[in-house]
Amino acid sequence: GQQLNQSPQSMFIQEGEDVSMNCTSSSIFNTWLWYKQDPGEGPVLLIALYKAGELTSNGRLTAQFGITRKDSFLNISASIPSDVGIYFCAGTIQGAQKLVFGQGTRLTINP
Amino acid sequence: NAGVTQTPKFQVLKTGQSMTLQCAQDMNHEYMSWYRQDPGMGLRLIHYSVGAGITDQGEVPNGYNVSRSTTEDFPLRLLSAAPSQTSVYFCASTPTSGRETQYFGPGTRLLVL
Repeated sequence: GQQLNQSPQSMFIQEGEDVSMNCTSSSIFNTWLWYKQDPGEGPVLLIALYKAGELTSNGRLTAQFGITRKDSFLNISASIPSDVGIYFCAGTIQGAQKLVFGQGTRLTINP
Repeated sequence: NAGVTQTPKFQVLKTGQSMTLQCAQDMNHEYMSWYRQDPGMGLRLIHYSVGAGITDQGEVPNGYNVSRSTTEDFPLRLLSAAPSQTSVYFCASTPTSGRETQYFGPGTRLLVL
């Protein structure tokens, strides 16, 4: 079953606003990954996190690997229209090889 | 490099038909996997392979078969299609199991009538 809880499921914001989304689990993760999926495309990796407490930025995107290793967040600052899409968190659980995905956060931006 | 390629892009099947979804990568990645994506469910792992000749089941393997005779190719077979298998299927590859970036293909949209 689903081992990652991602929230919110959807967001409707104005252009220029900041965005925050997160993933939590009852399991301990070794890695956290954040992906963006555009309509009709496969997911594309945005940020990868490999150590507890790690804070990594990619342009206007910032993500952190939670200290407890059970959660992660993604922030997008000063949103622009091309940020529209579905954002997925994913991670590898301690002791497992497989990648598990959250349910996704659908971001809609009003110009 | 072409990255991860998938064929076909779209397919319509009748219940009971069989077909193979093709996946190929030219990055010499050891780890390959198949996911299905359904609304509100995120991506769910069907089968994966950690190298040529080795495959294993993921979260939702029933109704699907895979083989990995070469490093480059990882086909997914639907043995007897069912409407519940209507979905978007993504193939992905990564150089090291569970740690490195997963590169996704563009997806195959399958409709089973």
